[in-house]
Amino acid sequence: AQKVTQAQTEISVVEKEDVTLDCVYETRDTTYYLFWYKQPPSGELVFLIRRNSFDEQNEISGRYSWNFQKSTSSFNFTITASQVVDSAVYFCALSARGGSGNTGKLIFGQGTTLQVKP
Amino acid sequence: EAGVTQFPSHSVIEKGQTVTLRCDPISGHDNLYWYRRVMGKEIKFLLHFVKESKQDESGMPNNRFLAERTGGTYSTLKVQPAELEDSGVYFCASSPGYSYNSPLHFGNGTRLTVT
Repeated sequence: AQKVTQAQTEISVVEKEDVTLDCVYETRDTTYYLFWYKQPPSGELVFLIRRNSFDEQNEISGRYSWNFQKSTSSFNFTITASQVVDSAVYFCALSARGGSGNTGKLIFGQGTTLQVKP
Repeated sequence: EAGVTQFPSHSVIEKGQTVTLRCDPISGHDNLYWYRRVMGKEIKFLLHFVKESKQDESGMPNNRFLAERTGGTYSTLKVQPAELEDSGVYFCASSPGYSYNSPLHFGNGTRLTVT
């Protein structure tokens, strides 16, 4: 079975604090992709990053960084020096390239609501 | 480039009524997905079109839900008759390829409230 768990339902921080959003996944497939999406108050889901299972290099994009560890099946997301505009719901998702018929549907976690206070 | 457009943005209907949601994908995107998020829970896959063909409808809850994509352009998702548990946000997404190759582009969602 495939599953994504985001144990943190809500996180509240003060602006400029660093915050890490946790994501743990389960899959038996050896080839899979992990994603993070952001849902701001406006409602749309905004793609942030995609990693494949063969690339464990951490990635940094501005204030955002991602830590992918296959040994612990985790794909955590860190925002450095958080800003009020970072307030949103963040979703981690998994797409496993399984057998025939698998068209790569995304399996989402429950989402983490991040509130950054000024 | 216009993004994925969903209509309406919000719909309030009574139990037993019918509602039709519409999704206009990004032009040229053959893949169109429907997802749903019930209050506070994870976003769940409903179905996937490639052009006008249903590739995977394993996530459709029951036969009260009917999705179509005539001509491989826009798609509609009809709920008939609606039940209270159908309330949630329905997202549409499109991509040029399957989701593991191409990140999905999501619309703003349709918030459906069944009273």
